Amino acid sequence: EVQLVESGGGLVQPGGSLRLSCAASGFTFSSYWMSWVRQAPGKGLEWVANIKQDGSEKYYVDSVKGRFTISRDNAKNSLYLQMNSLRAEDTAVYYCARDKSGTGTAYDYWGQGTLVTVSS
Amino acid sequence: DIQMTQSPSTLSASVGDRVTITCRASQSISSWLAWYQQKPGKAPKLLIYKASSLESGVPSRFSGSGSGTEFTLTISSLQPDDFATYYCQRQFTFGPGTKVDIK
Repeated sequence: EVQLVESGGGLVQPGGSLRLSCAASGFTFSSYWMSWVRQAPGKGLEWVANIKQDGSEKYYVDSVKGRFTISRDNAKNSLYLQMNSLRAEDTAVYYCARDKSGTGTAYDYWGQGTLVTVSS
Repeated sequence: DIQMTQSPSTLSASVGDRVTITCRASQSISSWLAWYQQKPGKAPKLLIYKASSLESGVPSRFSGSGSGTEFTLTISSLQPDDFATYYCQRQFTFGPGTKVDIK
């Protein structure tokens, strides 16, 4: 059974940092593009970043470029999102998601999400 | 950048109704469109990919159609479990969502 389990969310002050993790199981992690998608309270879905199977390509939404870094460890079946210089507008539930086939075609498995709250 | 719009934003319907949600792209996206269902407090669930392919395990009352710039998600007979918010998605852009609630 495919499982994605996020961790690392919490309350952080503006300008602070947080590292999210996503533990994958039940599939060959190293064979898939992986993404982070977020959802601000009461709002819609926003794609944040994705990473190629071997980590050689990474893409970001403009609003997080230079502040967030996506990475993966295929030996540990884990996906990460390092978030620096956090802003109030980064407050959201962050989901990791598996790209079904290729980059951005569709996200067929999602984690349960981890809440990041940026507030003083 | 390609923009995605959905209509309506809210839809009130009854169990057994046929429901159609429309998603429009600001330029042609061929058939690279997916549909998701999301319930409060839960992660989105993939329903349809490549505009019309039903994801494994999804009930056959869900169907997708369209290509180019206009796409539709149809629920042939609305069930109690289908009251939720539905999103379309093309690559890195999601539509704003359509909430289906009880009439």
